[in-house]
Amino acid sequence: GQQLNQSPQSMFIQEGEDVSMNCTSSSIFNTWLWYKQDPGEGPVLLIALYKAGELTSNGRLTAQFGITRKDSFLNISASIPSDVGIYFCAGLNNNDMRFGAGTRLTVKP
Amino acid sequence: DAGVIQSPRHEVTEMGQEVTLRCKPISGHNSLFWYRQTMMRGLELLIYFNNNVPIDDSGMPEDRFSAKMPNASFSTLKIQPSEPRDSAVYFCASSLRGGTGNQPQHFGDGTRLSIL
Repeated sequence: GQQLNQSPQSMFIQEGEDVSMNCTSSSIFNTWLWYKQDPGEGPVLLIALYKAGELTSNGRLTAQFGITRKDSFLNISASIPSDVGIYFCAGLNNNDMRFGAGTRLTVKP
Repeated sequence: DAGVIQSPRHEVTEMGQEVTLRCKPISGHNSLFWYRQTMMRGLELLIYFNNNVPIDDSGMPEDRFSAKMPNASFSTLKIQPSEPRDSAVYFCASSLRGGTGNQPQHFGDGTRLSIL
């Protein structure tokens, strides 16, 4: 089940704006992951973080693995309409992966 | 490269019927996971396999649910008998379990199951 607190639950933004979402946990994770899910499809991996303090970018996406290993954030810069979807954080220890409840992003053109 | 392949994509059946969901993991991946997604509970891990061996099935809701992995390229999740509360999207995911064990999971597109 879900042990991660992901916020915000939903966001409505204008195209071109930046977006920030985060995830916290009461437990330490060795790996943090961010996925995006479009309607009718499975979650797609966006970014994987393997070391505390790591900051990783993938195009307009930037994610960080918190120093305490109990949190992570995802930023999306200059949002575009195709960024619409549900973003999930996930914490991973060996094969035990826990998901946040998701952030539903709506981008208005 | 082919991703995780699930079938069927949609299944509608009457309660009491047996349902079988199928999954082909990414070639070379040695860990396979079955998840269930609902609005109320989000993504829940049901069971996972390492090298075709079930490791943790604590998420399987009841004895009506069973999963098998007869070989490295195929797994099934069976519900018998099915009930309306089993309606959900079922995802299969696979990963390569390396030395650290912390390899990201890659998901299929899911099976949307509706039990009437």
